[in-house]
Amino acid sequence: AQSVTQPDIHITVSEGASLELRCNYSYGATPYLFWYVQSPGQGLQLLLKYFSGDTLVQGIKGFEAEFKRSQSSFNLRKPSVHWSDAAEYFCAVGAPGTYKYIFGTGTRLKVLA
Amino acid sequence: NAGVTQTPKFRVLKTGQSMTLLCAQDMNHEYMYWYRQDPGMGLRLIHYSVGEGTTAKGEVPDGYNVSRLKKQNFLLGLESAAPSQTSVYFCASRTRGLAGGQNEQFFGPGTRLTVL
Repeated sequence: AQSVTQPDIHITVSEGASLELRCNYSYGATPYLFWYVQSPGQGLQLLLKYFSGDTLVQGIKGFEAEFKRSQSSFNLRKPSVHWSDAAEYFCAVGAPGTYKYIFGTGTRLKVLA
Repeated sequence: NAGVTQTPKFRVLKTGQSMTLLCAQDMNHEYMYWYRQDPGMGLRLIHYSVGEGTTAKGEVPDGYNVSRLKKQNFLLGLESAAPSQTSVYFCASRTRGLAGGQNEQFFGPGTRLTVL
């Protein structure tokens, strides 16, 4: 069965530090991969997506993610975190040829000043 | 463009009451979705629609009904609300795209529902 795992429920980093949020998926082929961010009280906003080509994907707000087929991973990174990055981050998988998406349980990021 | 809007933003119901949540999108998207978000569980798909007049069940459809009479609107109904339906409900939409699942979803701001 398809699944998405975000192993870290909470992550705390200091402002200016680097960040990596983990995402692992289970799917028979290469799925379409997404990272969304949700600020408190808001809906989800797309950070970046991958569906083919270069495995390093650049997104908005200085985020990037790398697709690693051998590890079934799509980890999100940012070199220097800003206090405004405090939010909840969701990894999602879209199965090719379907209309559905599967979301991870989210990682809540706290940024220390 | 307003994008995806949801009405209402907040609602408190008593057990057994009914209500309808409205989702509207002005992007001419074919596909629309209803999710619920609960702590530690991410987003779970309730129902979705691939076009006007069509709906389908998602992962957690029990206790909910939906209708898509107009392309831009997707309604979620609770016929007899239960405390287990206390949640934050999100609507999303996306365009058809060249390949299924490739295009991202656009989300509304959510409706926070409490059932007492």
